Amino acid sequence: KAGVTQTPRYLIKTRGQQVTLSCSPISGHRSVSWYQQTPGQGLQFLFEYFSETQRNKGNFPGRFSGRQFSNSRSEMNVSTLELGDSALYLCASSLKPRTSAYEQYFGPGTRLTVT
Amino acid sequence: GQQLNQSPQSMFIQEGEDVSMNCTSSSIFNTWLWYKQDPGEGPVLLIALYKAGELTSNGRLTAQFGITRKDSFLNISASIPSDVGIYFCAGHLNNNAGNMLTFGGGTRLMVKP
Repeated sequence: KAGVTQTPRYLIKTRGQQVTLSCSPISGHRSVSWYQQTPGQGLQFLFEYFSETQRNKGNFPGRFSGRQFSNSRSEMNVSTLELGDSALYLCASSLKPRTSAYEQYFGPGTRLTVT
Repeated sequence: GQQLNQSPQSMFIQEGEDVSMNCTSSSIFNTWLWYKQDPGEGPVLLIALYKAGELTSNGRLTAQFGITRKDSFLNISASIPSDVGIYFCAGHLNNNAGNMLTFGGGTRLMVKP
């Protein structure tokens, strides 16, 4: 079974631009979560989607948004990019939320560099 | 954001030595997960723990879910060079607030052949 895939793997943008990142979960997984990873802050939760609905959101500004499609694929968007948005953005999928045996599987990430 | 207290932050050991790292939290969790991350890649799930007191092994790796549900440890026996990487603990609380993993700051493991 294929793992979580993320595209693109690397991206360079300039301040003020916007960016869209894509994530395809493991086949059969319906829950997708996004995380930002930086050397200073570590792994920080962005948001979680299930059945095309955002179920949970981390403490990030409104410039960070996402959505999930009916096939469980998800996208996240960052508008008006800032230098501090440079990070590895990780997508993780799980079968479904609120299960007693909860496991998340991560994709390889998208490395975003803002100049 | 909130993070778990993971220690040590880094370890430099000789090949063949055993390794131990742990995570503590002020909050309880229903699930503890341990991940390994190689440079430029996403974290890979190593072990998942679901019950307080549970001890689970995966090859040379052994992890335990603390009895108070506020801590967990990971042991690696007879380390080898490919064990090099960053190890993260993560806690999950199954409640009505949705799902999110809270991560430790990571333990960077370096193995000298």
